[in-house]
Amino acid sequence: DAKTTQPNSMESNEEEPVHLPCNHSTISGTDYIHWYRQLPSQGPEYVIHGLTSNVNNRMASLAIAEDRKSSTLILHRATLRDAAVYYCILGVQGAQKLVFGQGTRLTINP
Amino acid sequence: KAGVTQTPRYLIKTRGQQVTLSCSPISGHRSVSWYQQTPGQGLQFLFEYFSETQRNKGNFPGRFSGRQFSNSRSEMNVSTLELGDSALYLCASSRSLPWTVGLATNEKLFFGSGTQLSVL
Repeated sequence: DAKTTQPNSMESNEEEPVHLPCNHSTISGTDYIHWYRQLPSQGPEYVIHGLTSNVNNRMASLAIAEDRKSSTLILHRATLRDAAVYYCILGVQGAQKLVFGQGTRLTINP
Repeated sequence: KAGVTQTPRYLIKTRGQQVTLSCSPISGHRSVSWYQQTPGQGLQFLFEYFSETQRNKGNFPGRFSGRQFSNSRSEMNVSTLELGDSALYLCASSRSLPWTVGLATNEKLFFGSGTQLSVL
């Protein structure tokens, strides 16, 4: 079964870059990698997604390993508002389901 | 445009009762999926609907059921509530089925703020 593995928690300082890792060693060639984050008292919100190539948007960057067995969400300059739980999610085409990681709780220190 | 609306926001029930939660998706979205979130288990998939049909179901007992109406609004029902059903219940809407999100440009899941259910 497809699975994603994330560290339970990470801590960083304001205005520093943050690298959030995710392992998905069972990924298939057509499975998309999604990242969502959940701020306190809110539902998850979209951050970024990709298939094979690295992706950038105004919120973050997604670096995907060449073998696609892992990926890293990069927040270039963390702010206090980035404190949230970050979920790495696989869109598993074969099983027709989303596979959620347990999430990484990111703490940002002022 | 309006986001995903879940009602009620908070709910307190006692064991053995039943509960119905509602989810109104973003206009134009035909897919609604439901998730249970607990501190110990994280986000667990309950079921997903597309055009009034249940397309997939997670590993939950038959006490958990749902439906989707012609206007894409969805409800989920939990009968004979147990203490372990206490959780945040989230729904998400999308134009296409959740596992296909990403195939189309700009397609993504939009989550509601959830219904916090406490079973006493």
